Amino acid sequence: RKEVEQDPGPFNVPEGATVAFNCTYSNSASQSFFWYRQDCRKEPKLLMSVYSSGNEDGRFTAQLNRASQYISLLIRDSKLSDSATYLCVVNYSWGKLQFGAGTQVVVTP
Amino acid sequence: GAVVSQHPSRVICKSGTSVKIECRSLDFQATTMFWYRQFPKQSLMLMATSNEGSKATYEQGVEKDKFLINHASLTLSTLTVTSAHPEDSSFYICSASRGEVLGNEQFFGPGTRLTVL
Repeated sequence: RKEVEQDPGPFNVPEGATVAFNCTYSNSASQSFFWYRQDCRKEPKLLMSVYSSGNEDGRFTAQLNRASQYISLLIRDSKLSDSATYLCVVNYSWGKLQFGAGTQVVVTP
Repeated sequence: GAVVSQHPSRVICKSGTSVKIECRSLDFQATTMFWYRQFPKQSLMLMATSNEGSKATYEQGVEKDKFLINHASLTLSTLTVTSAHPEDSSFYICSASRGEVLGNEQFFGPGTRLTVL
């Protein structure tokens, strides 16, 4: 079983629509959680950290459910530039990050 | 701030040669650097963690004699793929962290795409 699991997608989203997807993690001792964005053949870039109370950054909302061990990302009012692969990342041990394989989002005109 | 560079960005080499990849933190001192590998459509896999002046800690299944890591200063870490073979072809990405606090953000380099013929 993978440590961090994500639906690979792709999620095809009309411009302006809302899309949401989850990620599950297996290590209950995980300390911190992130969503990264990775464009094709590029390095991952931090999108946002995920806090227990849930947090919002503009059109992006992240939620953490420790009991069920999943985190979610919701994108409102999708833009064409939101097309990317979104990586769920869990910090499980002294700075070590565990990456999911990513969820691909394709925003269409 | 917090820019990490990698060099080269792309390398093509013959089987059996060694390839060195440099990772630099340009505007901060990195106490810890991490090396990852990513195969197509797969997640980034941590290969090793290196702290300046000490030996790297390798993840299970990663051969330390195959992937030599040198973290000579607080701004430079190098990964050498020794006697590279086609199965070593991958996207290698480094990241650097400023502190030792759990959850401290890692800043990623742009990656090096290695193709071994």
